[in-house]
Amino acid sequence: QLQLQESGPGLVKSSETLSLTCTVSGASISSGVYYWGWIRQPPGKGPEWIGNMFHSGSIYYNPSLRSRVTISVDTSKNQFFLKVNSLTAADTALYYCARHRDGFSPWGQGILVTVSS
Amino acid sequence: EIVMTQSPATLSVSPGERATLSCRASQSVSSNLAWYQQTPGQAPRLLIHGASTRATGVPARFSGSGSGTEFTLTISSLQSEDFAVYYCQQYNNWPPYTFGQGTRLEI
Repeated sequence: QLQLQESGPGLVKSSETLSLTCTVSGASISSGVYYWGWIRQPPGKGPEWIGNMFHSGSIYYNPSLRSRVTISVDTSKNQFFLKVNSLTAADTALYYCARHRDGFSPWGQGILVTVSS
Repeated sequence: EIVMTQSPATLSVSPGERATLSCRASQSVSSNLAWYQQTPGQAPRLLIHGASTRATGVPARFSGSGSGTEFTLTISSLQSEDFAVYYCQQYNNWPPYTFGQGTRLEI
């Protein structure tokens, strides 16, 4: 059964860089026709797509976040990563990783990241 | 960027009744639309993709319709576990993928 699990710090300081890891089990991120992505959801709001990667190395970002976001992958560990720099309070959110083809499924359980001043 | 607008923001219905949720795209997304259900403390769950295809394991009481700019999610006979927030998402013109702001289904 395919599962995704986010990991990383739950509290980061304003202006610093957030680093998150998504560990995939039950399937290889190097095979298939799926994209692997990051989505965030501020408290009480709808989801916001951050970016997607394909195992071939193609990476796509939300233009609204592109200047501050980096997605990378380690296929040997079946993991992909998210970095967000220059954090502000507006980056406080639940961060999810998920697989995408026609819609996102499944999603990880999410990790709450709070940006403190 | 395609803007997805959901209506109503909140829908009050009773168990056993039918619920109809709407999603409108600011420009055509063909049939490249997904619906998600989110219950408190949980990640969103994919219900519908391709505007009308139920995801694996989704009960038949959930149905999706529409194409272009107008879409509908219908829940034919509400069960207690269906009271949740529902989101639509387009994946036709990306980046970026975009989500609606959600419809809260409440008793």
